[in-house]
Amino acid sequence: DSGVTQTPKHLITATGQRVTLRCSPRSGDLSVYWYQQSLDQGLQFLIQYYNGEERAKGNILERFSAQQFPDLHSELNLSSLELGDSALYFCASSATLGREGLLSSYNEQFFGPGTRLTVL
Amino acid sequence: AQTVTQSQPEMSVQEAETVTLSCTYDTSESDYYLFWYKQPPSRQMILVIRQEAYKQQNATENRFSVNFQKAAKSFSLKISDSQLGDAAMYFCAYRTSQGGSEKLVFGKGTKLTVNP
Repeated sequence: DSGVTQTPKHLITATGQRVTLRCSPRSGDLSVYWYQQSLDQGLQFLIQYYNGEERAKGNILERFSAQQFPDLHSELNLSSLELGDSALYFCASSATLGREGLLSSYNEQFFGPGTRLTVL
Repeated sequence: AQTVTQSQPEMSVQEAETVTLSCTYDTSESDYYLFWYKQPPSRQMILVIRQEAYKQQNATENRFSVNFQKAAKSFSLKISDSQLGDAAMYFCAYRTSQGGSEKLVFGKGTKLTVNP
């Protein structure tokens, strides 16, 4: 058990719908990362939040958005769903130094169990 | 942008034997981190081993060791005394050590089968 929780474990929905995936990081971790794992694209970084603020953005579609709340949990919102959005969505968390001129030291990313999204 | 390539989609090994999984990467940075993650059928991502690019010594974790060749941008994983529980997808990953994003860049993965 990594200490990172994700809900729900499985989600089945229809094209055009909107869903919200939830992630609770390990206690004390300030950074949350979202990754998408699909058969054709592999594991891709979507977005990172640090202490409530967006820190980095990867290959995240405009139909997708995320946020991190004051209690540090994060939500990934996927809208206007398409068949190709079916994938395993991982959340990971880590302790991260602030970006204020400090080099990031090594901080292991701990992965949650993932949410399996199926779009029919 | 950094890229990670795993040229072996599938590998197999006999129980108790040794297997090496290959990984190459492309980067213009001089300092970074490299990782091997294991993803068993449960789909959980598990960190197997990591290597800091500034360290010349190859990392070792019990039966797992790496061969890090910085000039060649190569980072292979050796699994010794393979066990049935080692069967999984293995992903090589890269992370910058510079400030900013700590995102991981993954390869496509290698599926390892362990035969009894």
